[in-house]
This record gives sequence, structure tokens and C-alpha cells, in this order.
Amino acid sequence: QLQLQESGPGLVRPSETLSLTCSVSGGSINNRNYYWGWVRQPPGRGLEWIADIFYTGSTYYNPSLRSRVAASVDASKNQFSLSLTFVTATDTAMYYCSRRYYTAYRGAFDIWGLGTLVTVSS
Amino acid sequence: QAVVTQEPSLTVSPGGTVTLTCASDTGAVTSSHYPNWFQQKPGQAPRSLIHNTRDRHPWTPARFSGSLLGGKAALTVSGVQPEDEAEYHCLLFYGGSQLVFGGGTKLTVL
Repeated sequence: QLQLQESGPGLVRPSETLSLTCSVSGGSINNRNYYWGWVRQPPGRGLEWIADIFYTGSTYYNPSLRSRVAASVDASKNQFSLSLTFVTATDTAMYYCSRRYYTAYRGAFDIWGLGTLVTVSS
Repeated sequence: QAVVTQEPSLTVSPGGTVTLTCASDTGAVTSSHYPNWFQQKPGQAPRSLIHNTRDRHPWTPARFSGSLLGGKAALTVSGVQPEDEAEYHCLLFYGGSQLVFGGGTKLTVL
């Protein structure tokens, strides 16, 4: 069974760059059937889609975050990553990595990581 | 960017039926928005329940059903169980590659 595991710093200072990694186990990230992505959830609030990345490196971003976000894939490590620049307190959230179908099932999500909490504070 | 709206909270009695809705400020929700529904319990990651308006995942109990209702996406839970108490999030697709979640509905079983 494929599993996703987020890792990250926990605490980031305002104006700095947040970097997160999602490790994929039990399957290969080189799979043309899926997007790999990121979703976040501020404390006590709803979910927000951040980005999707295909194994080829093609990326799709939330327009409201596009100027600050970048996603990448490292197939050699079976990982994908997210960076978010110039963070502020509003970027404090639980960050989830996820997998969803590329074309099948109209792009449905099927697997989520457990999430990693990132707090932006000085 | 579109805004997707859900009821902030709903309460249902055990064994009852409840319908949660998901609206878009761009107009009527249609099957082209491929509505998805997720369940999230406290301290847990979301779990996908419904995709493509009404399609269940293999792990989704049959008491959960998706539909389109009055220009909105809808999630109906029939024969509600105590373990269905959770936050429910809807997701709509815009243009195929832009995804927008609603604010979530807290469902209380009381």
C-alpha cells in the first residue's frame, strides 16, 4: 500500500522560505497515472489546494499562491517537494501531501499524508 | 478565484438523514465541476468519500451519496451513525486544473 510522509521544519520565521518534502513509499513516483500535490489547512479553517505536480515535472498552482510557490519532483529519492517564499503568519497551517488521479476518476484524490504542522513566527 | 460555500454546521440525530450542500459563486455547480467530498475527523487527514459528483471510493460506506441539487453539489448521509460526526469538505474543479475547496461543514450527531 502506497504511503506518503511529509517532513519539514515545524517553525519558519516571517519573510523566510518554507520548504517541505513528501516521501513516497510502497510505490514509485514515476507513475503517469497520478498527480502528486499539496493541500494546507490553517488552524480551525478549511482546506486550501496549493499545487499539483506530474512525474514529468509539469506543475499546476493555486493562482493566489503562484507568485510564491514552487513544486518539484526528485525521482531518484522518490520524493516531491514544495517551497513557499516570503511566508507570513497567514501561512501557518497543517500541510498535507496527496496523490490524485491524472485522468481516471476525474482526478479524484485517493491517498493523503498525515500532515505536518508549520508555524510562522519570529 | 472562485469561492465555494458550505453550511458552517449541521446537526442530525442518529439514524436520521442529512444533506450537505456546496455552492459556487460563479453560478450553478454542474457535473463539469467534478464535485468531490471529503470527511475529516479531529486530528486526522482528510479522507475522500465521493468523487465525480456521485462516485464512491471502495472504502466509502453506501450510506454516503453524492448528487446535484438545485444548482449545488450535495452530499446526503442516510441512516447517520455516531462515527459520521466529522468535518466535511467539498471540492470543485474549475477549468480542469484549478481546485477550490469549500470552507467545510461541521456535522454533529446528537
